[in-house]
Amino acid sequence: ETGVTQTPRHLVMGMTNKKSLKCEQHLGHNAMYWYKQSAKKPLELMFVYSLEERVENNSVPSRFSPECPNSSHLFLHLHTLQPEDSALYLCASSQGGTSAYEQYFGPGTRLTVT
Amino acid sequence: AQSVAQPEDQVNVAEGNPLTVKCTYSVSGNPYLFWYVQYPNRGLQFLLKYITGDNLVKGSYGFEAEFNKSQTSFHLKKPSALVSDSALYFCAVRVLSGYSTLTFGKGTMLLVSP
Repeated sequence: ETGVTQTPRHLVMGMTNKKSLKCEQHLGHNAMYWYKQSAKKPLELMFVYSLEERVENNSVPSRFSPECPNSSHLFLHLHTLQPEDSALYLCASSQGGTSAYEQYFGPGTRLTVT
Repeated sequence: AQSVAQPEDQVNVAEGNPLTVKCTYSVSGNPYLFWYVQYPNRGLQFLLKYITGDNLVKGSYGFEAEFNKSQTSFHLKKPSALVSDSALYFCAVRVLSGYSTLTFGKGTMLLVSP
């Protein structure tokens, strides 16, 4: 609906697994974002890419590794996660990274780490 | 540093009554202010934003918000609530100058009863 899609919608993984989350935007935007949404906590910004270059990394553990191969696609590679990493992971995009443009969000991936 | 406060975890209102969801902010510089809504199992949807100009901003689904610089507030309002407005509402702030990202409040759950 918003022009931002995320796959998979749900993911259950063990602590030793490796998986990837995918985000695709069809809006012609040039900035993309990963957020973590946990229960009863504010939305946490994880990574920002502007024109395919990572411009922000909010002290995210190295077990989360982002990749932005082009302006339409964003990945979040996961490995050796912890149970506290279980959350809703949201991808967003916007027209620019330094302007007043609003962000458009995907539906999220509900991640459960067992 | 920029921050956003949403003082109410939950707001209850009867259908047909006016609703207000409160938001205050703290920034160094002039702010861009946003409201987003999140329905269950969905990503965030943009409702409205204040950049400059008229302090009363109108947005989607009949919502509006009033920017008050002296009180550093940006409360979300609607004259007549609908049951379908029940959702989680987020206020967010971004500083005008330079590169910066959105800072979100923790969210306010709006429950509209029939």
